[in-house]
Amino acid sequence: DTTVKQNPRYKLARVGKPVNLICSQTMNHDTMYWYQKKPNQAPKLLLFYYDKILNREADTFEKFQSSRPNNSFCSLYIGSAGLEYSAMYLCASSRVRGYEQYFGPGTRLTVL
Amino acid sequence: GDSVTQTEGLVTLTKGLPVMLNCTYQTTYSPFLFWYVQHLNEAPKLLLKSSTDNKRTEHQGFYATLHKSSSSFHLQKSSVQLSDSALYFCASGGNYKPTFGKGTSLVVHP
Repeated sequence: DTTVKQNPRYKLARVGKPVNLICSQTMNHDTMYWYQKKPNQAPKLLLFYYDKILNREADTFEKFQSSRPNNSFCSLYIGSAGLEYSAMYLCASSRVRGYEQYFGPGTRLTVL
Repeated sequence: GDSVTQTEGLVTLTKGLPVMLNCTYQTTYSPFLFWYVQHLNEAPKLLLKSSTDNKRTEHQGFYATLHKSSSSFHLQKSSVQLSDSALYFCASGGNYKPTFGKGTSLVVHP
């Protein structure tokens, strides 16, 4: 099974409220990634876990948190959503970091 | 830092015609290049990958050749089908994190 699952598929959030997105994979991949995708832009890497080590991008360091309680599961947490967070959030995993990735279907977040 | 450039945002073609989607990259590491395809309401999926210079790689009628001399990995197909309508991303890897291009939307008309 090469499926990466994401929940929910659609999320409506209010400005200032927290948001928690969930991703899971059963391929025993060592690396899991979170991307933000806006129209006409490249997927923007937010952070990734290599095994239990979290790497966050410098320009989004304070905006996003994540946890990986086990190899299969990874979450993305926004403490206080702003309008600029409205986007598609893609989760991906890879057997070896930096190489071929398997993507989930994404969560479309709308912040009002 | 690393970067991937896709020059076309939208490509519109008639079924049966050839297509080439451009991809160039800049990386300080030995490059590993990928093409991902995302159909409407689906997850992006790997289409092609390569790290070997001047070797053509093919899958599902699409092909690409990594040219390190020109830092390019253009995606081609000799005859597009309606089902090829999708968003195509070029990406680089091989170091600890991947870099994506903005994507090219391919629309194929009957």
